[in-house]
Amino acid sequence: GAGVSQSPRYKVTKRGQDVTLRCDPISSHATLYWYQQALGQGPEFLTYFNYEAQPDKSGLPSDRFSAERPEGSISTLTIQRTEQRDSAMYRCASSLTSQGLDNEQFFGPGTRLTVL
Amino acid sequence: SQQGEEDPQALSIQEGENATMNCSYKTSINNLQWYRQNSGRGLVHLILIRSNEREKHSGRLRVTLDTSKKSSSLLITASRAADTASYFCAPASGTYKYIFGTGTRLKVLA
Repeated sequence: GAGVSQSPRYKVTKRGQDVTLRCDPISSHATLYWYQQALGQGPEFLTYFNYEAQPDKSGLPSDRFSAERPEGSISTLTIQRTEQRDSAMYRCASSLTSQGLDNEQFFGPGTRLTVL
Repeated sequence: SQQGEEDPQALSIQEGENATMNCSYKTSINNLQWYRQNSGRGLVHLILIRSNEREKHSGRLRVTLDTSKKSSSLLITASRAADTASYFCAPASGTYKYIFGTGTRLKVLA
């Protein structure tokens, strides 16, 4: 695609509900990243994928968070039993590869999650 | 992986003036990237500078890198109101993992 897209753009949910966020990376990009961004802060790394492999999920805050990229393209981030502290902007990014000197990351518009 | 620390935290200038913001990091890097984030919008990649480069230009942007001081600066010349945004640096010492700081909030007054 022309750029990284994310859906939904806004999600309001009640505490305890599960939510799934979707990221559609640039089609030629092997690597996909998920970040969490609180207001006034920079993005914080959650996890990343090389195609369908998930080499690093060290940034996921708890086992309520999980991510998938089963066919190496679209990815989903699922938060189970949401809590108010999960409220944040969730950003997806993709890059051509994860290696090399020029691994520029292209960011999507983000999903604003509000947990009531 | 390491965090870039931007300085100053906030900067207000008049339209037409130059804006300089700095980034410091702690260990050796492969490259360093600068991103811009407008209020309510996504991050936009501005420029990447490799560790063997000292200066790079892109339009009104000039980035310098001093690996001996482990610092980088972003200069925006002839600033415009549309440059109002938060600016983040992302030093990459590994490959994939960028850790962003809190950014510099630039306000350009018309």
